[in-house]
Amino acid sequence: KAGVTQTPRYLIKTRGQQVTLSCSPISGHRSVSWYQQTPGQGLQFLFEYFSETQRNKGNFPGRFSGRQFSNSRSEMNVSTLELGDSALYLCASSLVVDISYNEQFFGPGTRLTVL
Amino acid sequence: AQSVTQLDSQVPVFEEAPVELRCNYSSSVSVYLFWYVQYPNQGLQLLLKYLSGSTLVKGINGFEAEFNKSQTSFHLRKPSVHISDTAEYFCAVSAYTGGFKTIFGAGTRLFVKA
Repeated sequence: KAGVTQTPRYLIKTRGQQVTLSCSPISGHRSVSWYQQTPGQGLQFLFEYFSETQRNKGNFPGRFSGRQFSNSRSEMNVSTLELGDSALYLCASSLVVDISYNEQFFGPGTRLTVL
Repeated sequence: AQSVTQLDSQVPVFEEAPVELRCNYSSSVSVYLFWYVQYPNQGLQLLLKYLSGSTLVKGINGFEAEFNKSQTSFHLRKPSVHISDTAEYFCAVSAYTGGFKTIFGAGTRLFVKA
């Protein structure tokens, strides 16, 4: 079974631009979560999607948004990029059967550099 | 709300020595506990998890962790480390609050020396 894939792996943008990152979960997984990883702030939860609905979100400004499609693939968008948005963005998927915990599987991440 | 504190930012240790990476957490609801490892330029790999049941959890690569509810700790241990264990280790807690939310600790850099 293929793992979680993220595209692109590397991205360079300039301040003020917007960016869209993509995540394809493991086949059958319905929950997708996004995280931002930076040296200063560590790993921070952005949001979780399940069946095309955002169920939970972290403390990030409205410039960060996401969505999930009917095939469970997810995208996150960052508008009006700032230098501080430079980070490794990780996506994780899990097979959700009920509210008991389901293990998350992480993708390799997208390295975003904002110049 | 949940929070996670990893008490050591870096842990240097000699090869074949034992190691303990410390993690404390706080939460107002029941949580699930995890340790992940991250190698350079890679995503996170699950080492082990505590969901319920036995408080001693065994994971991959010879790692184990013990859940201590009274001390709200979940320390990671390995009796004998290898050079290949050099990596960043993250403790995490997850809770269901209408949706899953996972909070990670700041990470502990384990450096194994020959």
